[in-house]
Amino acid sequence: NAGVTQTPKFQVLKTGQSMTLQCAQDMNHEYMSWYRQDPGMGLRLIHYSVGAGITDQGEVPNGYNVSRSTTEDFPLRLLSAAPSQTSVYFCASSYKGSAVALHPLHFGNGTRLTVT
Amino acid sequence: KNEVEQSPQNLTAQEGEFITINCSYSVGISALHWLQQHPGGGIVSLFMLSSGKKKHGRLIATINIQEKHSSLHITASHPRDSAVYICAVRRSFGNEKLTFGTGTRLTIIP
Repeated sequence: NAGVTQTPKFQVLKTGQSMTLQCAQDMNHEYMSWYRQDPGMGLRLIHYSVGAGITDQGEVPNGYNVSRSTTEDFPLRLLSAAPSQTSVYFCASSYKGSAVALHPLHFGNGTRLTVT
Repeated sequence: KNEVEQSPQNLTAQEGEFITINCSYSVGISALHWLQQHPGGGIVSLFMLSSGKKKHGRLIATINIQEKHSSLHITASHPRDSAVYICAVRRSFGNEKLTFGTGTRLTIIP
């Protein structure tokens, strides 16, 4: 199994450019999420999805869009990149938990994005 | 004040030492996760706890729900244990959103 596949690994953008970070998982996980990791701060949730067709905002959603047309894919779009979006981005997925079930998060390997 | 606080921020120890990393949180939770981030950046899930204690190899995780505190212990530490260890809490069952600590950077010297 490939697990969670994130592409690209590295990206440099100019201010105002747009791009899409890809995330795909082959574990049939209902829950998928995007985080950003900045120095001195914990991982922060950008957007998440609990199933195909359902998305919701996390802590830091401004400047990012997502969609979930299939269970497998959860792309993150930057419509007009800003230097404040320079960060390392992680996609993660898991089965949807319940009152009795705990499931681990599976992370992609990350995308290091620099906006100049 | 962050909802999830980890201590210490940095820890350097000699190979073979017993390691303890602490996580305190200020909100009610349904579960706590311990994650390991390798020097190359990849993140893996080590433990999920809702009560008590779990052990996997040389790693032990404990949680005290009343005191809102969890610890991650590493016995017989090894240089390959060098990584950032991250604590994260889940607020309620069925809600997978996590709040993360800033991590503890562990360096084990041979």
